[in-house]
Amino acid sequence: DAGVIQSPRHEVTEMGQEVTLRCKPISGHNSLFWYRQTMMRGLELLIYFNNNVPIDDSGMPEDRFSAKMPNASFSTLKIQPSEPRDSAVYFCASSSWDSPYNEQFFGPGTRLTVL
Amino acid sequence: SQKIEQNSEALNIQEGKTATLTCNYTNYSPAYLQWYRQDPGRGPVFLLLIRENEKEKRKERLKVTFDTTLKQSLFHITASQPADSATYLCASEAAGNKLTFGGGTRVLVKP
Repeated sequence: DAGVIQSPRHEVTEMGQEVTLRCKPISGHNSLFWYRQTMMRGLELLIYFNNNVPIDDSGMPEDRFSAKMPNASFSTLKIQPSEPRDSAVYFCASSSWDSPYNEQFFGPGTRLTVL
Repeated sequence: SQKIEQNSEALNIQEGKTATLTCNYTNYSPAYLQWYRQDPGRGPVFLLLIRENEKEKRKERLKVTFDTTLKQSLFHITASQPADSATYLCASEAAGNKLTFGGGTRVLVKP
């Protein structure tokens, strides 16, 4: 299995631009999570989906952030308009309800820099 | 909501010694705690899970304990090796199937 796939790996954009991050979870997994990691705030959960349905988006910073999961194999996190304080590493993770450990499998992350 | 606290100071340790990391939770006793390893430039990787009713769990050179009285989990790396150098994250189960992560502790094992 290829694991969780994220693209792009790096994104540099200017303030005000739209940014779209993409994620392909592990095939067969039921849950998908979007996290943001910074030195100051650590790993923060933004939103998660169960069976493609958004369950909890309380971690989404503001209306500039939106996430979709149109099918079981694809999710996007969009920031519009982007701001310098959005600079961080964004991780996507997936998990399977069949696992006794409820472990999350993380992708390699997207390092976002907003100038 | 649950808060997970880990020592933010890096832990420097000599090869062959035991590294001990602390994870404290502040509110309710979680049904389980998980430990992850994160290398620079990579996503966290799951290592171990310990449930509320388990005192101790082992996996190869790793040992995790769960003390509900102290609201604490300890993570031990025995016979540490330079390859164990990484950041280790503690995570608590939260509502639904969410996790709440601590800030992580960086471990540096010197040869």
